[in-house]
Amino acid sequence: EVQLVESGGGLVQPGGSLRLSCAASGFTFTSYEMNWVRQAPGKGLQWVSYISSSSSTIYYADSVKGRFPISRDNAKNSLYLHMNSLRAEDTAVYYCARRTVVMDVWGQGTTVTVSS
Amino acid sequence: EIVMTQSPATLSVSPGERATLSCRASQSVSSNLAWYQQKPGQAPRLLIYGASTRATGIPARFSGSGSGTEFTLTISSLQSEDFAVYYCQQYNNWPPGTWTFGQGTKVEIK
Repeated sequence: EVQLVESGGGLVQPGGSLRLSCAASGFTFTSYEMNWVRQAPGKGLQWVSYISSSSSTIYYADSVKGRFPISRDNAKNSLYLHMNSLRAEDTAVYYCARRTVVMDVWGQGTTVTVSS
Repeated sequence: EIVMTQSPATLSVSPGERATLSCRASQSVSSNLAWYQQKPGQAPRLLIYGASTRATGIPARFSGSGSGTEFTLTISSLQSEDFAVYYCQQYNNWPPGTWTFGQGTKVEIK
């Protein structure tokens, strides 16, 4: 079964850091581009970051550029989002998503709450 | 930025009836349009890509149409499991920062 499982979310104070992980299984992780997408409470979907299969190409949304480095470890079939300098507006459910032509497989999400 | 506008915001439909959801792009996205379904507390699920191609395992009652700036998702006969929020997303350009989602249409039981 193709599956993505996120972890690492939680409650953090403004200015703090978290590392989100996404464990992939059921497919050849090394062959796929990956993304992070977030959804603020009661809101729609916002693309956050992209990484190519070899990590050679990376993109970020302007709202997280310079704060949320993305990385992957193909040997561990894992994707990461290192979240620094967190702000209240970063509060959201964070999903990892596999990309073929579109984002065709999504994890169940992990919740990040930034609050003092 | 390409703005995606979905209508209506909420659609009230009785089980067994047809539902028609609209998505409009502020400029042409060719056929680079996807539809996702999201149920409460769940991740989005890909339904349609390329404006009209059903994703693997998606029932035939879901169909997509349109190109350019006007798109439609039709659910031919609503089942109880279809009541959810539906999002359109355009992926016409590169890099991914240019991809944008609509604000969603909630399909609720009438």
